[in-house]
Amino acid sequence: KAGVTQTPRYLIKTRGQQVTLSCSPISGHRSVSWYQQTPGQGLQFLFEYFSETQRNKGNFPGRFSGRQFSNSRSEMNVSTLELGDSALYLCASSSGTSGGSTDTQYFGPGTRLTVL
Amino acid sequence: AQSVTQLGSHVSVSEGALVLLRCNYSSSVPPYLFWYVQYPNQGLQLLLKYTSAATLVKGINGFEAEFKKSETSFHLTKPSAHMSDAAEYFCAVTGGTSYGKLTFGQGTILTVHP
Repeated sequence: KAGVTQTPRYLIKTRGQQVTLSCSPISGHRSVSWYQQTPGQGLQFLFEYFSETQRNKGNFPGRFSGRQFSNSRSEMNVSTLELGDSALYLCASSSGTSGGSTDTQYFGPGTRLTVL
Repeated sequence: AQSVTQLGSHVSVSEGALVLLRCNYSSSVPPYLFWYVQYPNQGLQLLLKYTSAATLVKGINGFEAEFKKSETSFHLTKPSAHMSDAAEYFCAVTGGTSYGKLTFGQGTILTVHP
């Protein structure tokens, strides 16, 4: 079974631009979570989608948004990029069958975003 | 609210020596605990998970962890380190209604010397 895939793997943008990152979950998984990883703040939860609905959200400004499609693929968007948005963005999928928070999350390779 | 503390941002061992990476958690609900490993320029790979079935959990690559509720700990061990174990290790907690949210520790970089 194919793992979680993320595209693109690398991105370079300038301040003020916007960016869209894509995540394809493991086949059959219905939950997708997004995380930001930086050297200073570590791994921080952005949001989670299940069956096209956002169920949970972390403490990030409104410039960070996401969505999920009917095939469970997910995208996240960052508008008006700032230098501090430079990070590795990780997507994780889980089955969602437990209905709660305890499903194992499987991570993709990440998208490395650099903001100049 | 949940939190994780990993004691020691860097751990160095010799090849063949015991590996011990420490993780303490805080959770107001019964916790589910995970250990992940990250190699350079890669995502996170699941090593093992605790889901209340057994307190001693065995994972991949010879790693295991023991859940100790009284100490709120979930330390990761491996009897004999291998050069290929050099990576960054993350402990994470979830539970209750934390839909899709893992709370991670700051990570521990493991270095293995020949």
